Amino acid sequence: ELKVEQNPLFLSMQEGKNYTIYCNYSTTSDRLYWYRQDPGKSLESLFVLLSNGAVKQEGRLMASLDTKARLSTLHITAAVHDLSATYFCAGRGTTSGTYKYIFGTGTRLKVLA
Amino acid sequence: DTEVTQTPKHLVMGMTNKKSLKCEQHMGHRAMYWYKQKAKKPPELMFVYSYEKLSINESVPSRFSPECPNSSLLNLHLHALQPEDSALYLCASSHLRDTQYFGPGTRLTVL
Repeated sequence: ELKVEQNPLFLSMQEGKNYTIYCNYSTTSDRLYWYRQDPGKSLESLFVLLSNGAVKQEGRLMASLDTKARLSTLHITAAVHDLSATYFCAGRGTTSGTYKYIFGTGTRLKVLA
Repeated sequence: DTEVTQTPKHLVMGMTNKKSLKCEQHMGHRAMYWYKQKAKKPPELMFVYSYEKLSINESVPSRFSPECPNSSLLNLHLHALQPEDSALYLCASSHLRDTQYFGPGTRLTVL
């Protein structure tokens, strides 16, 4: 069964710095998702990565996918305080022909002024 | 309209109560999901409905009973819950091969 791991679990960084969150998955996932969650709120979809080598960017966030390595990364460029949140990656597997989404452990990002 | 709505926002119930959570979407999505999320943990899948039929039950205790009365509505009936069931309950929907959209969640407290 698909398993998804993220690291680091917690990330404290200074404003203006760059950092990368890593997401490894255990078996084939036909796509990889990144979500953001603010405290006490629901999940907001950030990116969907569909194929090997896919790269998507939105503002200071850039996500990429390497299906051969079973690895996705979320790169943060010149962090700002507003990016403080928990970030989840999720893979998609199937059970009895139905898609199911498996989430990573999450990375709690805190950007310090 | 790309919105999934959930009611109520907050719910406090005793262990002997029966209550229901409601989820609604009008995006024409044919897959709907219930997740449970404890604090500082990822969402855990509970149920998946596909074309109004239950297609995945992740071994959820019977005190949680899902229902999909039509393609836009998803309910979660709660009965005889335990304090450890207190969590954020998230509903999501998707086209069968597409991104999930999450509702705002119901914060459930079981006393």
